[in-house]
Order: sequence, then C-alpha cells, then structure tokens
Amino acid sequence: QSVVTQPPSASGTPGQRVTISCSGSSSNIGSNTVNWYQQLPGTAPKLLIYSNTQRPSGVPDRFSGSKSGTSASLAISGLQSEDEAHYYCATWDDSLNGWVFGGGTKLTVL
Amino acid sequence: QVQLVQSGAEVKKPGASVKVSCKASGYSFTSYGISWVRQAPGQGLEWMGWISAYNGNTNYAQKFQGRVTMTTDTSTSTTFMELRSLRSDDTAVYYCARNKKYDWFDPWGQGTLVTVSS
Repeated sequence: QSVVTQPPSASGTPGQRVTISCSGSSSNIGSNTVNWYQQLPGTAPKLLIYSNTQRPSGVPDRFSGSKSGTSASLAISGLQSEDEAHYYCATWDDSLNGWVFGGGTKLTVL
Repeated sequence: QVQLVQSGAEVKKPGASVKVSCKASGYSFTSYGISWVRQAPGQGLEWMGWISAYNGNTNYAQKFQGRVTMTTDTSTSTTFMELRSLRSDDTAVYYCARNKKYDWFDPWGQGTLVTVSS
C-alpha cells in the first residue's frame, strides 16, 4: 500500500479532458513538490511534470499539473490515442526520508 | 544528449546477489545523483534509494536497508546497485534515474530485468 493514492484507472474519448488525482498527507505532498511520470507500454517512465506545475521541454502543453494542500492533479486536455499509458505521481516523504510513488493510474483512450 | 545506459538482463537463484550498472553520459556526472527504482511485473514503481555521484553519500529506503549497496565510479561515470539475498519477489525491472536528492527523476535508464528463480 502506497502512502500516496491514485485511482487505478481513468478513461476518456479523443479530444476530451481528463484529470488524475494524487492524494497524500502533510509529510509528503503537503510539504513537498509533486512530479508526474508517464510510462508507455513496455518503456521506461518519462518525466511529464515537475515541481507541481512545470513541463520539461518537449512535453505538450496539453499536459498540466496542479497542487493544493495534500493533493495534486494531472490534467490532460485534447486527449489523444498516444496518451494511453500509466501515469505515476511521486513526491518526497519527510517521515519516511525517501521518495514515494503513487500506485499509478492506467489511462485508457476509448 | 543526457543518457543512462544500464547493463543487461540477469537470472539469479534465490539467495544470490545481483549487481546492476548504470553508465551516464552527456552531463557533469558529479553534479547529480542517481536513484534506483524497481517495478515488479504488472506492478507500480518503488524507490529503492539514492546515491550522490559527488561524494558517494547514500540514502536507502528502509525496506532495502542492509540488503542493498549503491556505489559510483567517477572515472567511468557509472553507478552500481547491488542487491543481496535475492528472493522470488525481487523479480522486477530495475531502473536508474538521474536526480538531485530532492528533485525529479530525469532521465531514466532503459531498465534491467532481474529474474530470481530456482
């Protein structure tokens, strides 16, 4: 059981906007920034969002991140079939003195 | 470009040890650290620990304390992760990723499959 919780699945149709939540506590999300990773089937994870809201170069602006209190969210607008992947949030946990990942959300594009 | 290249797949018997390497290129090796993250088949990501390439300081996840050792060789810009007393539930893809201790992981290596089976 991860200390950071994500819904196991999410879905949407092409062009739709979907959001994926990441819920934690005061020792992790509440006091540290959140990063998001995209893992396409059979590949290594890739950084998607860092420091809650920042997009690395090359990541489309369809992807955005936000954080409020002990929760964070990843939003994907203009959903495309190539967005079908697993998405993971990650943050530092002060109590565990280490990084924690959410359990991951499998996004299906219908 | 910044790149991490990991060693090849391994098959080990229960109780054995495995040592996975991660060779960095395209950046100042000692300006960052390396984290190791594993992913069991069909499961999520699990952080194992971090090592500073600058001074070799380590920070291991409590779950792996006493069973994992991370080292670096600055002459070859390579980081190593050794896991001992392997069990079947250690079967996973092991990834290295560049990061500063409290910062994001980017980029990631291609992953190394370690299979533990008798």
